[in-house]
Formats: sequence, C-alpha cells, structure tokens
Amino acid sequence: DTEVTQTPKHLVMGMTNKKSLKCEQHMGHRAMYWYKQKAKKPPELMFVYSYEKLSINESVPSRFSPECPNSSLLNLHLHALQPEDSALYLCASSQDGAGAIPYEQYFGPGTRLTVT
Amino acid sequence: KNQVEQSPQSLIILEGKNCTLQCNYTVSPFSNLRWYKQDTGRGPVSLTIMTFSENTKSNGRYTATLDADTKQSSLHITASQLSDSASYICVVSATGNTGKLIFGQGTTLQVKP
Repeated sequence: DTEVTQTPKHLVMGMTNKKSLKCEQHMGHRAMYWYKQKAKKPPELMFVYSYEKLSINESVPSRFSPECPNSSLLNLHLHALQPEDSALYLCASSQDGAGAIPYEQYFGPGTRLTVT
Repeated sequence: KNQVEQSPQSLIILEGKNCTLQCNYTVSPFSNLRWYKQDTGRGPVSLTIMTFSENTKSNGRYTATLDADTKQSSLHITASQLSDSASYICVVSATGNTGKLIFGQGTTLQVKP
C-alpha cells in the first residue's frame, strides 16, 4: 500500500473558524510533511515531522498548527486564517526524513482549502 | 543558492507525438533528482528518481536522463496520450537536507487530440 490519504478533499471556512486537515499513511514511514500549493506554483514546504517530532518549521504563521499524534497520522489545525491562505494543502510521507539520503516522498491527493 | 529551473514553462503537442522537458539545477551537494507528474488539483505522483550515478531511468513511456556534470536532466515522453496532460515538476534533493526538496516551477503539458 503506497497510499497517503487526506481528508477532507475540499474545505470552505470563514476567517473566524477553527478546522483541521487530516493525513494518514500506513507504509511505516517515519517522516511526514505538510506542503502548501498555490495555483500554477510548485508546492512550498511548511512542516516536517521526523519520528513524530517536529524537525522543520518553515517560518509558518502560528494560525497553522501541526500535530503528529502517532507515526501514521498528521494533522494541521487551522485558526483565524486569511483569504490568502486559500490553497491546495498536500501531505506527504517518506521512509525517513533525517539522515544523509533523502527517501522517496509519497504525496496525498490534497485538501482544497478556501477561506472566505 | 540552491535552485531548480525548468523549461519550457508550457508546451502543447498533438496526441501521439514525443516531447522533451528540461531541468537545470544548482543544488549542492547533490543527492538525487526526481520527476513528478501532477494532475490539476491532485497531489504529485513520482515518475522517476535518480542518484548521481544513474544517467537514465525509464517508467513506461517516460524516460528521464541525468547529466550530473552539467547539472541537467530531461524527461522524454514517447507517443503522448491525452492523459499525459499535466504539470511535470523536477525536484532535487541535497545530501543531508533532512528530506527537504527543492522544486522547479514545473512545465505544463497539454496534449491535444
């Protein structure tokens, strides 16, 4: 099974709402990632979790809060977002995020987020 | 500065024709280079991954080449199909970069009947 699943597929939220994006993988991967992708642009890395610990935060605003409850799950909690945060949010996983040799990253289908 | 540049930005070809996409990078120390295919509104799907010692790798009708000396890669698509219409992204990793990928801007390919 080389699948990364993400829920929901689409999300519309107001600027005062609190919502969460969920990501799950069952490949035994120990690194998980959140990316943000705007239209016609490449994905931008937001967070990396390695062995359930946050290893990279790319200076993401605090209105985005990641959580890794266990090695298979990754959440992204959203609060007080702005319309410019509307984008496709991608989750990815890899065998290992640390070390000298970067492993293959498997991407989920993404959550299309619209902030109104 | 680590960068990945792709050309052309967009491409339109007729079904059944071949095409080649280009990628130049300045990432150092180089670890590996990947080509991803991304359909609109979907997550990227890996086509090939090559280390510095590999100079060609195929995945069906997709063939990637890598010249580590000139820091160039190409993705050749043979006998294009309508389903090949997508964005193709070249992604490079540096050694010891804890999984951080450096993405190119992508080439948008449209295959017309």
